[in-house]
Amino acid sequence: NAGVMQNPRHLVRRRGQEARLRCSPVKGHSHVYWYRQLPEEGLKFMVYLQKENIIDESGMPKERFSAEFPKEGPSILRIQQVVRGDSAAYFCASSLNPGQGMPQHFGDGTRLSIL
Amino acid sequence: KQEVTQIPAALSVPEGENLVLNCSFTDSAIYNLQWFRQDPGKGLTSLLLIQSSQREQTSGRLNASLDKSSGRSTLYIAASQPGDSATYLCAVTWGSGGSNYKLTFGKGTLLTVNP
Repeated sequence: NAGVMQNPRHLVRRRGQEARLRCSPVKGHSHVYWYRQLPEEGLKFMVYLQKENIIDESGMPKERFSAEFPKEGPSILRIQQVVRGDSAAYFCASSLNPGQGMPQHFGDGTRLSIL
Repeated sequence: KQEVTQIPAALSVPEGENLVLNCSFTDSAIYNLQWFRQDPGKGLTSLLLIQSSQREQTSGRLNASLDKSSGRSTLYIAASQPGDSATYLCAVTWGSGGSNYKLTFGKGTLLTVNP
């Protein structure tokens, strides 16, 4: 009865490298959300995906960031050419239909550190 | 602008005390409100979800209330225990614009319960 699974738990990258963060939602959930928690700040919404579709990416930086949720496999948050300011905790959440007021369930996050 | 504020930022109480955590939000037209607990280095655990039509929800020693007209929610913890020590986050979704999935978080209240 696994919850939201994120990996890796910790990721270290040098400036200019790529970071790939993976998220497997709760079994049966087809709605996935990514949030970012910068040091000393609250969690901020980044993107909402539903199987194979990006529904809302209004919280994503316009460059270097992308997200996908393929038909098979986990959701991926990809950050290209990472910079120091990308250091943060990235959380994934999943839910049943949000239109029915269903709660979001969160994973333990990926802590990304940029050297 | 839709914002969520939590006061105080930190709270320290002796074991056994009843306590109240506060959350306020701009724009009373909320869709739902969710209280979470976050332990250091961990993800978020959902505690209670209150739909906009509800006034309160209870789970064990926790009771959350919602007053939309005043833009406030409180989380009441009875008979606090050291294991309750964590950061408590309040998050709101608003129904306007069809974005009832987008959680807006407060910065949290760091609770310490001293034995």
